[in-house]
Amino acid sequence: QKEVEQDPGPLSVPEGAIVSLNCTYSNSAFQYFMWYRQYSRKGPELLMYTYSSGNKEDGRFTAQVDKSSKYISLFIRDSQPSDSATYLCAMSEGNYGQNFVFGPGTRLSVLP
Amino acid sequence: DVKVTQSSRYLVKRTGEKVFLECVQDMDHENMFWYRQDPGLGLRLIYFSYDVKMKEKGDIPEGYSVSREKKERFSLILESASTNQTSMYLCASKNPDTGELFFGEGSRLTVL
Repeated sequence: QKEVEQDPGPLSVPEGAIVSLNCTYSNSAFQYFMWYRQYSRKGPELLMYTYSSGNKEDGRFTAQVDKSSKYISLFIRDSQPSDSATYLCAMSEGNYGQNFVFGPGTRLSVLP
Repeated sequence: DVKVTQSSRYLVKRTGEKVFLECVQDMDHENMFWYRQDPGLGLRLIYFSYDVKMKEKGDIPEGYSVSREKKERFSLILESASTNQTSMYLCASKNPDTGELFFGEGSRLTVL
């Protein structure tokens, strides 16, 4: 079993749809959870950053962490064609640690 | 804005050639990283550096070395390139206050 699992997609949705992206993990020591967005031929950029369990909202994006289930989600409301990208989840045991573990990424296409 | 610059976006090399991938960051970050990104495998850590001339092996260091002579510059070296090193290489630096990783745009290497 991989340390972080993520459905690679591709996931295609119509513009305006609510998108749900998910990752599961096996290491219960993970405390910091991140979502990165990567456009084609670009480097990843940080989208959301959460500590421990709970929800965090930023505009159309909501990150959710359920540590009891070892499951994290990213919701995108009112999805736009500009949201078409690969979304990577990442997690680490500590803020100052070097051990960031990334999921393989989910490729999302939002169709106009 | 933090800027991480990878000087070579696309390279094509022959098996056995020595390859240098350069990365420069402009935010005086101490921690810098080299990852490779392959479809279905996500980002895997090759090496990281926490200070000038200091380096630590990541998860897949075999076949690679690194150099950190100046704080802003972190180089990845393939002493004798092989076809299984064909990949996207991503450099990152880390904000020590937030733990956020800032990525360069990537260097896509093809080894023939």
